[in-house]
Amino acid sequence: EVQLVESGGGLVKPGGSLRLSCAASGFTFSSYSMNWVRQAPGKGLEWVSSISSSSSYIYYADSVKGRFTISRDNAKNSLYLQMNSLRAEDTAVYYCARERPDFDYWGQGTLVTVSS
Amino acid sequence: EIVLTQSPDFQSVTPKEKVTITCRASQSIGSSLHWYQQKPDQSPKLLIKYASQSFSGVPSRFSGSGSGTDFTLTINSLEAEDAATYYCHQSSSPMYTFGQGTKLEIK
Repeated sequence: EVQLVESGGGLVKPGGSLRLSCAASGFTFSSYSMNWVRQAPGKGLEWVSSISSSSSYIYYADSVKGRFTISRDNAKNSLYLQMNSLRAEDTAVYYCARERPDFDYWGQGTLVTVSS
Repeated sequence: EIVLTQSPDFQSVTPKEKVTITCRASQSIGSSLHWYQQKPDQSPKLLIKYASQSFSGVPSRFSGSGSGTDFTLTINSLEAEDAATYYCHQSSSPMYTFGQGTKLEIK
């Protein structure tokens, strides 16, 4: 069974940093591109970033470019999102999703709240 | 950036009704268009991939069509459990984007 479990969310002050993790199981993690998608409270889905299976290709939404860094460790079946210079508008539930390139499996999400 | 515009934003429908949600892309994306369903407090779930291919386990009342810039998600004989927000998503460009969502309320 494919499982994606996010962790690392929490409350952080504006300008602060946070590192999200996504633990994958039930499939060959190293064969798939992976993505982060976020959803602000009461709002729609916003694609954040993607990383190819071997980390050769990485893309970011303009809203996070230069502040967020996506990475992965195929040996640990894990995906990461390092978030720096956080702003109030980054407050959201962050989901990791497996890409085919449709997003066929999603995690349950982890909430990031940026507030003083 | 490819902009996806869904219509309507909200629809109130009765059970057994047929529902059509449209998604229009700002430029041609071929068939690289996918549909998701998200119920309150749940993660999104894939319904339709590549415009018209049903994802495994999705009820047959859900279907998709379209190509280029205009796409449609159709729900035949709506059921109460279909109350949710529906999103389209394009994978034509590596800078992925989602539509703003269509919320379906069941009367």
